[in-house]
Amino acid sequence: EAGVAQSPRYKIIEKRQSVAFWCNPISGHATLYWYQQILGQGPKLLIQFQNNGVVDDSQLPKDRFSAERLKGVDSTLKIQPAKLEDSAVYLCASSLSGLGYTFGSGTRLTVV
Amino acid sequence: GEDVEQSLFLSVREGDSSVINCTYTDSSSTYLYWYKQEPGAGLQLLTYIFSNMDMKQDQRLTVLLNKKDKHLSLRIADTQTGDSAIYFCAVGASGAGSYQLTFGKGTKLSVIP
Repeated sequence: EAGVAQSPRYKIIEKRQSVAFWCNPISGHATLYWYQQILGQGPKLLIQFQNNGVVDDSQLPKDRFSAERLKGVDSTLKIQPAKLEDSAVYLCASSLSGLGYTFGSGTRLTVV
Repeated sequence: GEDVEQSLFLSVREGDSSVINCTYTDSSSTYLYWYKQEPGAGLQLLTYIFSNMDMKQDQRLTVLLNKKDKHLSLRIADTQTGDSAIYFCAVGASGAGSYQLTFGKGTKLSVIP
C-alpha cells in the first residue's frame, strides 16, 4: 500500500509569514494526526481527526495554527503568523483502527 | 497527562546486543510501541506489545514489559551499523473518545563498527 504522503519536504520562511503543509493519508485510514517534532524531542500531538471531524485539538496553538480535513481524506495544517519557535518537523500520521500509526516523512520547517 | 522517559544516548559495538529502556506513568496504557527514526525520515513502527503481555520477540527484537514498574525495554540482538538511529518509545491510551500515542524524547543509538 502507498504510504502517508506529505509536502513540501522542506520550507524556509521568515517570521510572521504564513505557511501550509499538506498530508494525504493511507487510503481508508479514518484517523489522521498532525505531530510537531522539535529538534531533540519526541513528537507532540497537535491535532487528531476522525474522518473529517476534530477529535482532539487541545494542544494546537489556535491563535496561529489551524488544520482542516475536508471530505475526510487529505488534510492541511497552516501556521499564520509563524514564530521562530515553530521551527520543527511536522509529521502527519494515519491509522485504520487507532493502533500502530503510519507516519509520513514529515515537513521540515525553518523560521528565520 | 502521560509522561514517557528514555535515556538520550546509547553506544554499542557492532555484533553486541543493545538494550533501550523506557519508563511511563499511565497505568491505563493499552499498547506500547517502539519506533525507529533515521535521519531525515519519518517514524517507522518496529514493534509493539499489548499491556497484558510481558514479552514479545520478533526476529532480532525482544520487547520486555514490566507493568508493575511501568518499564518497557527493547533489546536488539547482534546490533548492526544499519541499526544506528533514534528509537522512540510510545505509549497508547484511550481517553475522551480518542486513542493517542505519547512519545518519549528518543534514544540515539550509535553502533561502532
